[in-house]
Amino acid sequence: SAVISQKPSRDICQRGTSLTIQCQVDSQVTMMFWYRQQPGQSLTLIATANQGSEATYESGFVIDKFPISRPNLTFSTLTVSNMSPEDSSIYLCSVDWTGTEAFFGQGTRLTVV
Amino acid sequence: GNSVTQMEGPVTLSEEAFLTINCTYTATGYPSLFWYVQYPGEGLQLLLKATKADDKGSNKGFEATYRKETTSFHLEKGSVQVSDSAVYFCALNHNTDKLIFGTGTRLQVFP
Repeated sequence: SAVISQKPSRDICQRGTSLTIQCQVDSQVTMMFWYRQQPGQSLTLIATANQGSEATYESGFVIDKFPISRPNLTFSTLTVSNMSPEDSSIYLCSVDWTGTEAFFGQGTRLTVV
Repeated sequence: GNSVTQMEGPVTLSEEAFLTINCTYTATGYPSLFWYVQYPGEGLQLLLKATKADDKGSNKGFEATYRKETTSFHLEKGSVQVSDSAVYFCALNHNTDKLIFGTGTRLQVFP
């Protein structure tokens, strides 16, 4: 199994600012995923991050708003840019370890005021 | 496209009651099916999975059977405990690395 550490675990941010969320995995993985879980809703995939290439964004998400870095096979960051209250969510990092099972970090609870 | 539909919650039960959380899916072919659980303040954890028709996934007293004929993967437990209180997500994966989640069902178990 994979152990995924995410930080910060929570933050309260002012609108118009940006927050960078870090995701560290204890082993090398090819693909890392970033999800958003809005209050009371399910998980929505934001983007897939591969090492050495640009992230692939899902419909409704753009690089300018959610830039992603993937400098190596164990680390990724997601930045939430120019935040508004609508960005208040839990952001989750995930890796697909075996091809049939995904592992998740504990999430970053973001509140924008 | 592929999708997952879950029963809406919250589901409120007394301890030792029988639990069913319904999940149906839409997909061509044979996707892999999963149940994930999210305990308060934590990330998602895989609860059980099934990768082909008629497979039964089981873990911690929970079971779900992959029913191709009804495109369902209902979660069941014979006797719930207070510690089972959490949000349960049904999900599928079909020929990609992406998981598609249902909306989640909150379970509340009272002593």
